[in-house]
Amino acid sequence: NAGVTQTPKFQVLKTGQSMTLQCAQDMNHNSMYWYRQDPGMGLRLIYYSASEGTTDKGEVPNGYNVSRLNKREFSLRLESAAPSQTSVYFCASRNTGTSNEKLFFGSGTQLSVL
Amino acid sequence: LAKTTQPISMDSYEGQEVNITCSHNNIATNDYITWYQQFPSQGPRFIIQGYKTKVTNEVASLFIPADRKSSTLSLPRVSLSDTAVYYCLVGDGNTGGFKTIFGAGTRLFVKA
Repeated sequence: NAGVTQTPKFQVLKTGQSMTLQCAQDMNHNSMYWYRQDPGMGLRLIYYSASEGTTDKGEVPNGYNVSRLNKREFSLRLESAAPSQTSVYFCASRNTGTSNEKLFFGSGTQLSVL
Repeated sequence: LAKTTQPISMDSYEGQEVNITCSHNNIATNDYITWYQQFPSQGPRFIIQGYKTKVTNEVASLFIPADRKSSTLSLPRVSLSDTAVYYCLVGDGNTGGFKTIFGAGTRLFVKA
């Protein structure tokens, strides 16, 4: 059982370039999340998808877009990368979405924007 | 959103018991208290959850007083490998709870 899989694991971009971070889960979970974590800091919620077909903004959505492609996949897109977006990005999922359920996290994507 | 407050950092020595307290004064009636552990370069992982009184599993214990305005994560006889960041979360029972916010967590450093 793979759980939550994120690709790529590492990425270096130049300012202004675009890219999409991929996330897939094989646990048949309804809700999926994208967080970012800057060095020495806690996780900040970028976007979440409570169920297939819905997406909502989190704490820090500016500069990002998301797509809930199907129940398994939730992608995060940076249209024009900026150095301030250098961070580690984590995808997570949970079963029905209520906060009393535990989240399952991927191993992260380390993104550097030069 | 229900907010939590926990110490920024703690130090301990191997073999000691570590207690990390979290304050959540505005916890809703139907919210659970959940703790996650994060090692460097990894995503957080669930360690324990409780609603009231005491919960124990193979990793930790969670103590919750009757008023539920705080909770204490207890790690018995820590080792170097318990060095990590520990996050306390409570649900957002008022709005369905989908929007899960992490605080800064508590950085635990275990010394030999």
